[in-house]
Amino acid sequence: DSGVTQTPKHLITATGQRVTLRCSPRSGDLSVYWYQQSLDQGLQFLIQYYNGEERAKGNILERFSAQQFPDLHSELNLSSLELGDSALYFCASSPRNGGAYEQYFGPGTRLTVT
Amino acid sequence: AQTVTQSQPEMSVQEAETVTLSCTYDTSESDYYLFWYKQPPSRQMILVIRQEAYKQQNATENRFSVNFQKAAKSFSLKISDSQLGDAAMYFCAYRRWTGANSKLTFGKGITLSVRP
Repeated sequence: DSGVTQTPKHLITATGQRVTLRCSPRSGDLSVYWYQQSLDQGLQFLIQYYNGEERAKGNILERFSAQQFPDLHSELNLSSLELGDSALYFCASSPRNGGAYEQYFGPGTRLTVT
Repeated sequence: AQTVTQSQPEMSVQEAETVTLSCTYDTSESDYYLFWYKQPPSRQMILVIRQEAYKQQNATENRFSVNFQKAAKSFSLKISDSQLGDAAMYFCAYRRWTGANSKLTFGKGITLSVRP
């Protein structure tokens, strides 16, 4: 158990819908990362937040957005869902940004768009 | 941009034998981290081993060791005394040393099966 929690574990929804994935980092970790794992794209970085502020952006679609709240939990919002958005979405946390700090991964949320 | 390449999609090893998983990467930076992550059927991402680029000594963690060739930009993982529980997908990953963006860049992964 990494100490990072993600809810829900599974999500099935229809095209065009909007969903919110939630991540609670390890206690004391300020940095949260979101990754997407799909058959087509493999594992790719979406976005990072550090202490409430966006720090880095990767291959995140405009239909996707994220935020980190004062209690440091983070949410990834996916809207106008398409079949291709079906994937496993991971959240990872680390104490600080970069340096020698590891990223600890949550169990992931499996999103299925039908 | 940094890239990570794992050219072997699948490998198989006999239980108790040794297997080596290959990884190459491309970067213009001199300081960075390299990682191997294991993803078992549960889909949890588990850190196996980490290597700092400035260290000449290869990292080891119990039955897991790496062969880090900085000039060749090669980073292979050796698993000794393979066990059934080692069956999983293995990802090689790169991370910058410092800077605003500390994302992990992953290879496509390799599926390792262990024959009893």
